[in-house]
Amino acid sequence: GAVVSQHPSWVICKSGTSVKIECRSLDFQATTMFWYRQFPKQSLMLMATSNEGSKATYEQGVEKDKFLINHASLTLSTLTVTSAHPEDSSFYICSASTGGQQPQHFGDGTRLSIL
Amino acid sequence: QKEVEQNSGPLSVPEGAIASLNCTYSDRVSQSFFWYRQYSGKSPELIMSIYSNGDKEDGRFTAQLNKASQYVSLLIRDSQPSDSATYLCAVNRFGNEKLTFGTGTRLTIIP
Repeated sequence: GAVVSQHPSWVICKSGTSVKIECRSLDFQATTMFWYRQFPKQSLMLMATSNEGSKATYEQGVEKDKFLINHASLTLSTLTVTSAHPEDSSFYICSASTGGQQPQHFGDGTRLSIL
Repeated sequence: QKEVEQNSGPLSVPEGAIASLNCTYSDRVSQSFFWYRQYSGKSPELIMSIYSNGDKEDGRFTAQLNKASQYVSLLIRDSQPSDSATYLCAVNRFGNEKLTFGTGTRLTIIP
C-alpha cells in the first residue's frame, strides 16, 4: 500500500521551456502533498506544501511564480517549472500523506535537465 | 544546533552484523519519527515510523525512541549488502505536517 507515482522520470529540454511534473497517490487519498528538490550529494529541500483545493504554501526563497503547484484532487498534484533555466536542473521529488502525524510516501522522483 | 542531527558517516558494517544508526532532535514537541532509506540517485523509501517511547520491530529493523533523551535510533540486524544506502531520520511536530530531515547517515555493508 501507499504507492505514489511520479511522472515523468526524466526530462531533458531546452532553456525557456516549461515542464510539468505529475504526482499521483495510487491507493490512498492524499490530503497533503509535498514537493522537494535535491541537488547531488545534498539533503532534500522542501519547496512547497499543497493541500487539495487550496493554494500551495511555499518555503522561503522558493519563487511561487516560477514553480506553479496545483493540487486539484485528493490523488493528484502537479508542479510546473515555468521558463526553466539550467540552474533549475535538479532531482524533483513529490511525497503524499493522509495528513496529521502520518508518514510521507515518496514518488520515484523526476530528474530534470535543462540544456 | 541543528534540529535533527545524524552522523554523516560513512558507517561501515560487515555483512551479517548489526548496523546501528542514531539520530537526535532538538524540538521537544516532536511527535512522530520516521526512518527513510535512500539509495544513490533514488527517492527516499519509508522504512519505519515510531510514535511512542520504546522499541518497534519490523523484520530485520528495530526503531528505538527515547523522548526524554530526544533520541531515536534504527537497528538493522543481519545486515546485507543491499542495505547499503543513506538513512534519513525525519521528525515532525504535533500539528505540523512538514518533516524535518537529518542530513542522513551513509551506511556501507561490507561483504
